[in-house]
Amino acid sequence: SAVISQKPSRDICQRGTSLTIQCQVDSQVTMMFWYRQQPGQSLTLIATANQGSEATYESGFVIDKFPISRPNLTFSTLTVSNMSPEDSSIYLCSVAKGVDTEAFFGQGTRLTVV
Amino acid sequence: AQSVTQLGSHVSVSEGALVLLRCNYSSSVPPYLFWYVQYPNQGLQLLLKYTTGATLVKGINGFEAEFKKSETSFHLTKPSAHMSDAAEYFCAVAAEGGYNKLIFGAGTRLAVHP
Repeated sequence: SAVISQKPSRDICQRGTSLTIQCQVDSQVTMMFWYRQQPGQSLTLIATANQGSEATYESGFVIDKFPISRPNLTFSTLTVSNMSPEDSSIYLCSVAKGVDTEAFFGQGTRLTVV
Repeated sequence: AQSVTQLGSHVSVSEGALVLLRCNYSSSVPPYLFWYVQYPNQGLQLLLKYTTGATLVKGINGFEAEFKKSETSFHLTKPSAHMSDAAEYFCAVAAEGGYNKLIFGAGTRLAVHP
């Protein structure tokens, strides 16, 4: 298994500002992903965080809005830029130790934009 | 492309009754299927998974699921519900080309009443 720490656990932000969410894992992992869970909805994959290169974004998500960094095998950040109330969601980090191993999830960051 | 449909956004059962949560999938390749549980204000926890082999999969907390290719289904069951089973349950299929890059269903909220 993997122990995942996400920070902050929750935040209330003003529209037009940006928030950076951190995901720290207690051991090296191959795969890191970022998901969004909008209120009352399911999880949607935002992107795959790639170590040392640009993240791979899913349809409907762009780097300018959700820049992602992954400097090493245990850490990644997701920034939600120029926030609007529609960005209010839970953002979850997911990791997997290998390409064909199960995914583990952090507890999420609950973001409210006012 | 892969997709998941969960029938019933809310299911309510009595304590001790059978739990049945329905999941149907669409996949252009042999699917990897998962059930996750999300307790209030917590991250997702893997209940069970199907990759290959035995079609009846047993998971944690007494849950099991059966993969039925002919019906493209992966329903989750538990013979006797416990109050602690009240949570949100998500069925997921691995995206094409990725074991742990997941596409989630909309989720089913399970309520257990005395």
